[in-house]
Order: sequence, then structure tokens, then C-alpha cells
Amino acid sequence: AQKVTQVQTEISVVEKEDVTLDCVYETRDTTYYLFWYKQPPSGELVFLIRRNSFDEQNEISGRYSWNFQKSTSSFNFTITASQVVDSAVYFCALSEENSGGSNYKLTFGKGTLLTVNP
Amino acid sequence: DAGITQSPRYKITETGRQVTLMCHQTWSHSYMFWYRQDLGHGLRLIYYSAAADITDKGEVPDGYVVSRSKTENFPLTLESATRSQTSVYFCASSGAGRGRTGNTIYFGEGSWLTVV
Repeated sequence: AQKVTQVQTEISVVEKEDVTLDCVYETRDTTYYLFWYKQPPSGELVFLIRRNSFDEQNEISGRYSWNFQKSTSSFNFTITASQVVDSAVYFCALSEENSGGSNYKLTFGKGTLLTVNP
Repeated sequence: DAGITQSPRYKITETGRQVTLMCHQTWSHSYMFWYRQDLGHGLRLIYYSAAADITDKGEVPDGYVVSRSKTENFPLTLESATRSQTSVYFCASSGAGRGRTGNTIYFGEGSWLTVV
């Protein structure tokens, strides 16, 4: 069975600090997909990134970066120079590739509430 | 690019009433999903659909009915609403393939349902 654990329930930082959100996953599949979603106070779920299990390259997008390590089953998310607008709940999620080659369901972590204070 | 839209966004209904939450996507994605989000439980899958006329149960399907007569629509019906179904409901869709946008699940804005 799949499982996603987000280590931190809540994190509070001061603006401009760097912050890392940890995500550890469990799966028996060799092909799977990892995601990060952002849920701001307005409530919608915003897709941030998808990483395939067969692609271990880390990724940077502006102030966001992701560190995927299969050896430790981790997919951590770092925000550099945090801003108040980064305040949100962040979800890590995992899906396994079904026989048709498409995801069909996500297993979510419980989420990490990030508060960035001015 | 409308993407994926849900309606109504907010609904209050009484116990025992039937409620339908609508979901429409403009990407022609094969897969569509319904999740509910509750404090203490996170996001849980209710039903999903691999294509028109193909649906299957997720983790918490009891009390819900879905249909998918057209690829772009995936309504969720609560046949007799209960207070335990008070929740935020998210519709989602996903394309296929391992390409840059395939296999990525996109969510609608959510429908806040209160059953009194």
C-alpha cells in the first residue's frame, strides 16, 4: 500500500527565511509519480510539480526547489527567501502508474501548514 | 482556458435531501476524480472514472453516486445527504502519458457543502 508522510504538521518562519518541507513516501511500485500541491487560504488546490520515479533530477523553479532521493524515499520541497504569499498548506502526494500508463488516484500526505510572518 | 470547474461552489442543504455537485473539464482528460477533504482525514478519494461510462469506487464511496455519460462531465450525487457528508469536495482530472503534462492531476476550485 502507498503511504505519504509529511514530517512537519506546521512550520512558522519569518519572511525571507528559507524553509524546507519534508515528504517521505512508501510504495512497492517501481514506477510512480510524486506531486506537491499548494492550498492557500482561499482553498483551491494548486499543482506545483510532478516528478517521475524514473527521473531523479532535482528541479528549481524560481524560489522553489525540489530534492527527490529514491534512496531515502524522500521528495522535499524548499522555498528560498519565503514571502507572506507563500503561507498555505502544502501537500505531498504519490500515485502509482496503472497498467494503462496513467495515474488514477493520489495518496496524499496530511499536509504542512506554512505560515510566513512579515 | 477554463480548465476544470465545479458548481455550486457553496451549498447548504438539509439532511435527507439529494444534492448533485457538478464538474466540467475542457481538456478532454480521460481520468476524472472526486475527493473530499476533512480535518483530520486529509484528502480522500470518493470515486474515479477512467473514461466515459467507466467509473470505480475509491476509498470512501458509501452514500455517493457518480456517472460519466460525457468525457467532460463527472457529476457527484449525494442521494440522501447526511451531516457526515459535510465537507469540501474537489473534482480533479488527469491526462494520460508520461510526457510533461500527462499523468498530472489538476483540481477544481472545490465545492463547500454543509448538511444541516
